[in-house]
Amino acid sequence: GDSVTQMEGPVTLSEEAFLTINCTYTATGYPSLFWYVQYPGEGLQLLLKATKADDKGSNKGFEATYRKETTSFHLEKGSVQVSDSAVYFCALSLGRSNDYKLSFGAGTTVTVRA
Amino acid sequence: DSGVTQTPKHLITATGQRVTLRCSPRSGDLSVYWYQQSLDQGLQFLIQYYNGEERAKGNILERFSAQQFPDLHSELNLSSLELGDSALYFCASSGGGLRITDTQYFGPGTRLTVL
Repeated sequence: GDSVTQMEGPVTLSEEAFLTINCTYTATGYPSLFWYVQYPGEGLQLLLKATKADDKGSNKGFEATYRKETTSFHLEKGSVQVSDSAVYFCALSLGRSNDYKLSFGAGTTVTVRA
Repeated sequence: DSGVTQTPKHLITATGQRVTLRCSPRSGDLSVYWYQQSLDQGLQFLIQYYNGEERAKGNILERFSAQQFPDLHSELNLSSLELGDSALYFCASSGGGLRITDTQYFGPGTRLTVL
């Protein structure tokens, strides 16, 4: 079935460090790919998305490129801040047979220290 | 603020009981999705409604049911509750069309604790 695998955390970084969270997917079609972020005590917020191969999603300094050849959608940020501490979820949606659900990875907890 | 509202924010109840979780989608959104977030299962899709009709079902137990009303708000009913049903339940909504590129906007969630 369709699934998402993302690197396990937790990840602890210092401010201004480079962040990368690996995400790979398995899907029988051509999914749209998403990164959602969950700040402590809050719901999920869309961080960025890409809908076709080689698309790059970007937002708030975060970037991810849809790589069909490696079935990956790794999240990167060049210089993290304490406010980036959160849980990050990679997700896909196939839209097959009117099914538009999101399939999520397990989530990666990121803690940024001042 | 995503524009999706969920009530109540917290719910504490006992095993065997029944509860109802409510969700109001963003203005104009026709699709509503329910997800369960638990420590052991992660984030799992439960069910989707589009303009009042059920569109897709995920790993939703038979003890659980949902509906979407003419004003587009949705309710998730959980019955014969078990300890393992303790989780955070999210509602999400998306736009008027059915496209996989549609962004799902999530509510703040309802935390259910079954004692």
